[in-house]
Amino acid sequence: KAGVTQTPRYLIKTRGQQVTLSCSPISGHRSVSWYQQTPGQGLQFLFEYFSETQRNKGNFPGRFSGRQFSNSRSEMNVSTLELGDSALYLCASSPPGSEQFFGPGTRLTVL
Amino acid sequence: KNEVEQSPQNLTAQEGEFITINCSYSVGISALHWLQQHPGGGIVSLFMLSSGKKKHGRLIATINIQEKHSSLHITASHPRDSAVYICAVRSRSGSARQLTFGSGTQLTVLP
Repeated sequence: KAGVTQTPRYLIKTRGQQVTLSCSPISGHRSVSWYQQTPGQGLQFLFEYFSETQRNKGNFPGRFSGRQFSNSRSEMNVSTLELGDSALYLCASSPPGSEQFFGPGTRLTVL
Repeated sequence: KNEVEQSPQNLTAQEGEFITINCSYSVGISALHWLQQHPGGGIVSLFMLSSGKKKHGRLIATINIQEKHSSLHITASHPRDSAVYICAVRSRSGSARQLTFGSGTQLTVLP
């Protein structure tokens, strides 16, 4: 089975712009979670989707949003980018009640 | 106080040494995960535990639910084990599927 894929792998944006990141889960996995990793804050949970519904949301401002499509692929969007949004954004998929499988991440740099 | 505390933060060992990384948490959990992150960002799930002990190759993970403590052991360590090891817990209450992460342990194994 192919693993979790994320696109793009690297992205450079400027302050005020918006960005959309994409995640394709492992085939058959209906749960997709997103995480942000920064040197200062470590790994933090952003949100989780299951069957096109957001099940949980972490403590992030409304500029961070996401969605999941009927084929379980997920996107997250960050609007009005700030310098502090520079981070590695990780997506993970899982079958019910099981461990998560992480993608390689998208490294976002905001200038 | 963070919900998940890991120790040590940094660990340097000689090849062949037995290594222990500790994780303490303060909330009731449904599961605890041990993750491995190599330079470049990719994260691999090593174990998911809710009780007892699990073993995979040279890696052993244990959890004591009463004491809210888990340990990750590496036997016969090897330079390829050099990575960041991260403990994460899934709370039993509130946002039940949300993972909360420790700050990670940077392990360096010298040849």
